[in-house]
Amino acid sequence: AQSVTQLDSQVPVFEEAPVELRCNYSSSVSVYLFWYVQYPNQGLQLLLKYLSGSTLVKGINGFEAEFNKSQTSFHLRKPSVHISDTAEYFCAVTPLTGGGNKLTFGTGTQLKVEL
Amino acid sequence: GAGVSQSPSNKVTEKGKDVELRCDPISGHTALYWYRQSLGQGLEFLIYFQGNSAPDKSGLPSDRFSAERTGGSVSTLTIQRTQQEDSAVYLCASSSGGGGRQPQHFGDGTRLSIL
Repeated sequence: AQSVTQLDSQVPVFEEAPVELRCNYSSSVSVYLFWYVQYPNQGLQLLLKYLSGSTLVKGINGFEAEFNKSQTSFHLRKPSVHISDTAEYFCAVTPLTGGGNKLTFGTGTQLKVEL
Repeated sequence: GAGVSQSPSNKVTEKGKDVELRCDPISGHTALYWYRQSLGQGLEFLIYFQGNSAPDKSGLPSDRFSAERTGGSVSTLTIQRTQQEDSAVYLCASSSGGGGRQPQHFGDGTRLSIL
């Protein structure tokens, strides 16, 4: 089984400041990792994914994440946030094999960008 | 192109009634997933379809919950004898194939409220 921990339930940040949203996972098998964003009253939109290869992955809207296998982490970063980045962010994993393809999500981090 | 479509967007019903939630996946996507999002439990996997078959139903919380998929396309999630704890947002996702490499694309969800 897999589990995902997002320690920060809320992260306030000023516009144009950098931000990091933390994600740690636990799994007995190798996993694929994803970050999704959810705007109010909407579904989840894929920001980026790590499947293999380079551990630094770039996604939409200027976000990037770095996979660290030894620390079992997949932190999301953006060098300069905008008001429009205010949303909830979910980290998720699915096993490479045998997991039925279902996503296991963290509890989410609410990013609030202030002027 | 069209994304994942869910209907209704909102549903209010009385305790004890049956409800049906519909999901139209992205055309050509063979895999379809149902998740539930609630304040207390976060995002939980319910069921996964590959074509019309459901190889993983492990997340269905009770025998009051059932789902089917027809023609490899539309899926219906049915909740019988609804209870107040069934109140949640029900999200549907689809992906272009089996295997966790294929990212899941989410609909905007059905917000279910049980009075």
